[in-house]
Amino acid sequence: AQSVTQPDIHITVSEGASLELRCNYSYGATPYLFWYVQSPGQGLQLLLKYFSGDTLVQGIKGFEAEFKRSQSSFNLRKPSVHWSDAAEYFCAVASNNAGNMLTFGGGTRLMVKP
Amino acid sequence: DAGVIQSPRHEVTEMGQEVTLRCKPISGHNSLFWYRQTMMRGLELLIYFNNNVPIDDSGMPEDRFSAKMPNASFSTLKIQPSEPRDSAVYFCASSPSGQGAPVRGGYTFGSGTRLTVV
Repeated sequence: AQSVTQPDIHITVSEGASLELRCNYSYGATPYLFWYVQSPGQGLQLLLKYFSGDTLVQGIKGFEAEFKRSQSSFNLRKPSVHWSDAAEYFCAVASNNAGNMLTFGGGTRLMVKP
Repeated sequence: DAGVIQSPRHEVTEMGQEVTLRCKPISGHNSLFWYRQTMMRGLELLIYFNNNVPIDDSGMPEDRFSAKMPNASFSTLKIQPSEPRDSAVYFCASSPSGQGAPVRGGYTFGSGTRLTVV
């Protein structure tokens, strides 16, 4: 069965600093990988996704993520964080074997210091 | 495109009452998902429909919970009777991908219904 681990429950960074949120997945073949963001009181919004090809994918709001097969990771990065990036971030994985099912990680809550 | 529309946004009800949550998926999306989000358990998949047919309801916590999708543009999640431990945010999501197909598009989520059972 596929699974997703986000090791960091909370992360605090200063505004303008760089950010990396970790995501590790467990799945035998190449998965389909996603990052979602949830602002307070809102639903989840898709930031970016990876299916194949270039392992560095660009998303909305200046985010990017890199797929590393050898490490089973799909970490989310942003070079300079803005106060509006404070939110909860979810990594998710899907696969052909699981049909149309996304499996979500537990989420990482990002706080931004002024 | 109005996105996935959920109603109501907030619901406060007394224990024992019936609660019905509603969802209108994006037109043309043939997969629909109901999730529950709590601080303790995070995001939990309750049930998944494809072409209006329930495919996987293994996440439905107990018989008090039921979900229907009478047509492609409407789904309901009902709790009867409701209990305080059902308090959570309930999300509906839809996807254009069908059963067995890779979920390339990801899901589009609604804004959720915050349910409080007192």
